[in-house]
Parts: sequence; structure tokens; C-alpha cells
Amino acid sequence: AQSVTQPDIHITVSEGASLELRCNYSYGATPYLFWYVQSPGQGLQLLLKYFSGDTLVQGIKGFEAEFKRSQSSFNLRKPSVHWSDAAEYFCAVGARDAGKSTFGDGTTLTVKP
Amino acid sequence: GAGVSQTPSNKVTEKGKYVELRCDPISGHTALYWYRQSLGQGPEFLIYFQGTGAADDSGLPNDRFFAVRPEGSVSTLKIQRTERGDSAVYLCASSPERGGPRPGELFFGEGSRLTVL
Repeated sequence: AQSVTQPDIHITVSEGASLELRCNYSYGATPYLFWYVQSPGQGLQLLLKYFSGDTLVQGIKGFEAEFKRSQSSFNLRKPSVHWSDAAEYFCAVGARDAGKSTFGDGTTLTVKP
Repeated sequence: GAGVSQTPSNKVTEKGKYVELRCDPISGHTALYWYRQSLGQGPEFLIYFQGTGAADDSGLPNDRFFAVRPEGSVSTLKIQRTERGDSAVYLCASSPERGGPRPGELFFGEGSRLTVL
């Protein structure tokens, strides 16, 4: 069965600092991986996705993620965090059509001024 | 509007009552998904439609839950004999046709928050 673990429930960083959110997955085949962001009062929005090819993927809002098959990880990074990045972040694994994606329980990001 | 629309945004009901939650997907999206998000957890898959038919309903927790999409656009999630444990945010998402230019991307609505007293 597929599963996703986001080890950090809550992370606090200072504005301008770098960010890394961890994601580990378990999946029987080649995984399709996603990161979503959920801001208060808004729906989940896709930040980036990995299907194949280059293991470093770029997303919106300056985010990137690196797929490491040997570590079963897909960590999200941003070099300089902005106050508007404060939100909840979800990693997901699933089929190419994302129909039955399995989500982690999320990491809440707080940004200190 | 351009996005996925869900109504109502909030629903408070009493235990044992019947509830309907509506989802209006992005125009032209053939795939529609329902997820449920409980407090402190990630979204949990419930059911997936491709067109009018349920392609995968393996996530529905029991037979009190049912969803329809009669014309391949709007979908309704129906919950009978609601229980307190059904309280959650019910999320709807749509996706372009499988294999299209942006496969795998889910476009989510803002959700319907259901509270069962």
C-alpha cells in the first residue's frame, strides 16, 4: 500500500531564511509525486510534481523539490522564504492521473518577521 | 467562475440527518474527485469519477456515503444517517482528461465543512 510521511508537523523559519520540508513515501511502482499548499480559506494548490526525468523539479512561487529514489524522499525547498509562504504543505504520491493520490498529514509553516 | 466551486461552504447538521454536498468542477474537466480532510490530517481519497461513472469508489467509508455525477459535470456527495465522526472538510477536485497536457494535477475547491452535532 502506498503511504506518505511528513515527519515535521510544524516548522518555523525567519523571513528570508531557507526552507526544507521533508517527505518520505512508500509506493510499489514508479511514484508520481506532488506537493500542494493550502492557505487559510483557500483550496489546495499544486506547487510542483514529479513524473519522470530530471529529479530536481521547479514549481511555482520559487519552490523546488528533489526526488531521491534511494531515500524514498521528495523534499521541498525554497532558498528564501517570504511571509506569504506561511501555510500548510502537503506531499502526495499516486498514479499519473493523481486520481487516488495518498497525502501526508501536512507540515504547517510559520514565518517569523 | 474559473475554479472548482463547492456548496455549501459550511453545513451544520444533527446526528442522523441526511446531507448533500455539491461540487461544480472546472468546465471541460472530465475527472472529478472527492476527498475528506479531518482535522490535523491530509486529504483522504473517497471516490473518483471519469465522466458520469464512478471509476473508483474504494475510499467511501461505508454504504451511508454515495456520490453521483449524472451529466458528467456537477457532482453531489450524499451522506445518510450522519454520525459525529463524519465531521470533516469535504474537498472536491477536478482534473483535465487523463493524458492531456497537464496530467496528474488536481484543482481543488475550497471545501465544504461539515459539522455533525
